[in-house]
Amino acid sequence: DAGVTQSPTHLIKTRGQHVTLRCSPISGHKSVSWYQQVLGQGPQFIFQYYEKEERGRGNFPDRFSARQFPNYSSELNVNALLLGDSALYLCASSPGAQSGYTFGSGTRLTVV
Amino acid sequence: GENVEQHPSTLSVQEGDSAVIKCTYSDSASNYFPWYKQELGKRPQLIIDIRSNVGEKKDQRIAVTLNKTAKHFSLHITETQPEDSAVYFCAAISSSGSARQLTFGSGTQLTVLP
Repeated sequence: DAGVTQSPTHLIKTRGQHVTLRCSPISGHKSVSWYQQVLGQGPQFIFQYYEKEERGRGNFPDRFSARQFPNYSSELNVNALLLGDSALYLCASSPGAQSGYTFGSGTRLTVV
Repeated sequence: GENVEQHPSTLSVQEGDSAVIKCTYSDSASNYFPWYKQELGKRPQLIIDIRSNVGEKKDQRIAVTLNKTAKHFSLHITETQPEDSAVYFCAAISSSGSARQLTFGSGTQLTVLP
């Protein structure tokens, strides 16, 4: 059974550009969350989706948006990239409200 | 919102010794406390978790304790091995609101010296 898969694994973008990151949860998991991990820090919560509805949003600007598709996969979009958006973006999935989260290997985004 | 503090930020132990990492949380509504191990360049991996209705949980060399009254929880690793070297993160999930977001501590870099 595949774990949480994320694509791409690495990405280099220029300031001002737009980026789309993708995540496929573990089969049967309906909850997907996105986290940003800056080097040397713990992951910071960006979004949670459950059954295709946004259930929570962290303290990130409106340049960050996300959605969840009928097959429970998810996209994270970031507009007008800043140098400070350089980080590891992690996707985590969970089967339900009372369960733990499994993380994907992440997308390493570098903004130059 | 929830705030999780983690100590120490770095910890070095001799192989075979025990390691203890401590975390405190602020939201009394938090009810799930996972611990993640993250090796350099890799994803955080869940190593053990505990729910608020349990005071202690053990899995081989790893144990976690929870004190709800004091709002703190700890990770204990016994008989440490070099492969235990990694960054360890504690986290908490609050049941308040509709989102179940993980709030992470700042991490502990554990080094096990051979």
